[in-house]
Amino acid sequence: GDSVTQKQGQVTLSEDDFLFINCTYSTTTYPTLLWYVQYPGQGPQLLLKVTTANNKGISRGFEATYDKGTTSFHLQKASVQESDSAVYFCALVPDTNAYKVIFGKGTHLHVLP
Amino acid sequence: DAGVTQTPRHEVAEKGQTIILKCEPVSGHNDLFWYRQTKIQGLELLSYFRSKSLMEDGGAFKDRFKAEMLNSSFSTLKIQPTEPKDSAVYLCASSFRGAETLYFGSGTRLTVL
Repeated sequence: GDSVTQKQGQVTLSEDDFLFINCTYSTTTYPTLLWYVQYPGQGPQLLLKVTTANNKGISRGFEATYDKGTTSFHLQKASVQESDSAVYFCALVPDTNAYKVIFGKGTHLHVLP
Repeated sequence: DAGVTQTPRHEVAEKGQTIILKCEPVSGHNDLFWYRQTKIQGLELLSYFRSKSLMEDGGAFKDRFKAEMLNSSFSTLKIQPTEPKDSAVYLCASSFRGAETLYFGSGTRLTVL
């Protein structure tokens, strides 16, 4: 079945550090890949979305590239700020008619001032 | 525009009680989702409505969990009877169509004693 793997449960960085959160996926379809961000006390919010039509998503300084060869969808940011501290979820929607989102377990990012 | 509104923000129940959680989706959205979020299991889909019709009733959850959508702007999730293992954050999300762009509410944190 479809699956998403985020192995990093927690990442701690200092301000201006480079962020890299690993995400790999498994599916037999041509999915839409997503990153959600969840701040304390809030629900997840969509950060960026990539479909088979466009390989890269960019939003608020974050970037993710859809690599079918390695089945990866890593999240990157050149310089993190304390306000980026949150939980980041990688997710997969198998096709445009699907209603089930396959979420990863999430990576808790803690940015030190 | 108003986002997804969930009430109450916090709920404390005794084991065996009935609780009802409420959700108002984004105006104009056709699809509504109920999720449960825990640290161990992550985000789990409980129910899914399309244009007020129940499309997914949560499989393993349907025993004590019942979601209803009385009109296009209001949904409830009833848990009856509650058990301590139901302690979690319950999230409501809506979308115009499908699962590619979900708008989540801030959730209801349920504690069952």
